[in-house]
Amino acid sequence: DAKTTQPPSMDCAEGRAANLPCNHSTISGNEYVYWYRQIHSQGPQYIIHGLKNNETNEMASLIITEDRKSSTLILPHATLRDTAVYYCIAHGRGNDYKLSFGAGTTVTVRA
Amino acid sequence: SQTIHQWPATLVQPVGSPLSLECTVEGTSNPNLYWYRQAAGRGLQLLFYSVGIGQISSEVPQNLSASRPQDRQFILSSKKLLLSDSGFYLCAWREGAETGELFFGEGSRLTVL
Repeated sequence: DAKTTQPPSMDCAEGRAANLPCNHSTISGNEYVYWYRQIHSQGPQYIIHGLKNNETNEMASLIITEDRKSSTLILPHATLRDTAVYYCIAHGRGNDYKLSFGAGTTVTVRA
Repeated sequence: SQTIHQWPATLVQPVGSPLSLECTVEGTSNPNLYWYRQAAGRGLQLLFYSVGIGQISSEVPQNLSASRPQDRQFILSSKKLLLSDSGFYLCAWREGAETGELFFGEGSRLTVL
């Protein structure tokens, strides 16, 4: 799996958009970008994933640069419940799939 | 719909005692199964993963072992716990080779004294 780099922490104001960056400069052509989040004392929760195109679902949007070397997760209207550790992971698929999590970004949403 | 269950949710064990954590998945067949550990204030560490019954891959050599006696059952064990085994243990599954998303259980918090 390609290595990913995320800022260790960031603050966000409630009701504003939160933009979480991730660098994955060594990503290969068949590797997807996945985002998960972990609220304190819970298991991680899948948010979104993408390969080349931007993606949107009910939780967030994922913007992937054209060269695929970086991406941004956007939480459009952050709430206090979005306070969590957010993990960006780049990996391929197949039966040797072993998803490794880095340190992630601790996002604190403030009222 | 698919669900994943882990138990026990919390346990306190003395050093040197055995351990058994269980994980079961319902609503799917032949899932890929994973065990992770998260020490206090740390990231997630992949311990074991399994692509089928009896097939276990270990990521970190240690005093833990895993078994998959049935298609949707994954067990994490230890014969003798160490203090360093304390942590939050998470089981996860995904639906197959072509599906990327991992779905996690509620976790088992282990304290070794």
